[in-house]
Amino acid sequence: QVQLQESGPGLVKPSQTLSLTCTVSGGSISSGGYYWSWIRQHPGKGLEWIGYIYYSGSTYYNPSLKSRVTISVDTSKNQFSLKLSSVTAADTAVYYCARGWLGGYFDLWGRGTLVTVSS
Amino acid sequence: QSALTQPASVSGSPGQSITISCTGTSSDVGGYNYVSWYQQHPGKAPKLMIYEVSNRPSGVSNRFSGSKSGNTASLTISGLQAEDEADYYCSSYTSSSTLAWVFGGGTKLTVL
Repeated sequence: QVQLQESGPGLVKPSQTLSLTCTVSGGSISSGGYYWSWIRQHPGKGLEWIGYIYYSGSTYYNPSLKSRVTISVDTSKNQFSLKLSSVTAADTAVYYCARGWLGGYFDLWGRGTLVTVSS
Repeated sequence: QSALTQPASVSGSPGQSITISCTGTSSDVGGYNYVSWYQQHPGKAPKLMIYEVSNRPSGVSNRFSGSKSGNTASLTISGLQAEDEADYYCSSYTSSSTLAWVFGGGTKLTVL
């Protein structure tokens, strides 16, 4: 079955760029109809949708983060990635990658990775 | 502040039924049948429990059901079990210019 796994540094310095990769196994990331998404959860808080990349390559970002976010896809590696620039302590969170559907739901999630922004 | 409003906490005894509400607007919950619900145990990733208001993914117990009336969606859990104790989040598609998907603030379910 399809599985997602996040990877990347767990510690990022303030003002630097947070970079995470989500590896999709058991299925092709190029399969039609999916919105490959990033979602984060601040410690002890709720979920915040960051953005998605559609299988066609189009992207859409949360406007509150849009100026700092880039999501890209590498179909040869069956991966999609998140870059969040100019991070501050407020970006400390567990970051999840997830598979989204047009109906606005996320049926598959990675296990999540904690990213701490600190000097 | 979350775009969708959920109660911070609900509780119930084993065997009872509880309902968690999720209130939005006509731009999200009320305007589309694209409401979903997630269960999250501590330290774990969210798990999809309900999609498109009332559909259950394969493998999810039929004790979980969803509905919607106007701008408010609801998740009902019947025959409460200890393992149901978790945080629950609703989500909806939104036509607001600000976001494509929005989440509720989450509800902590305690099984007494």
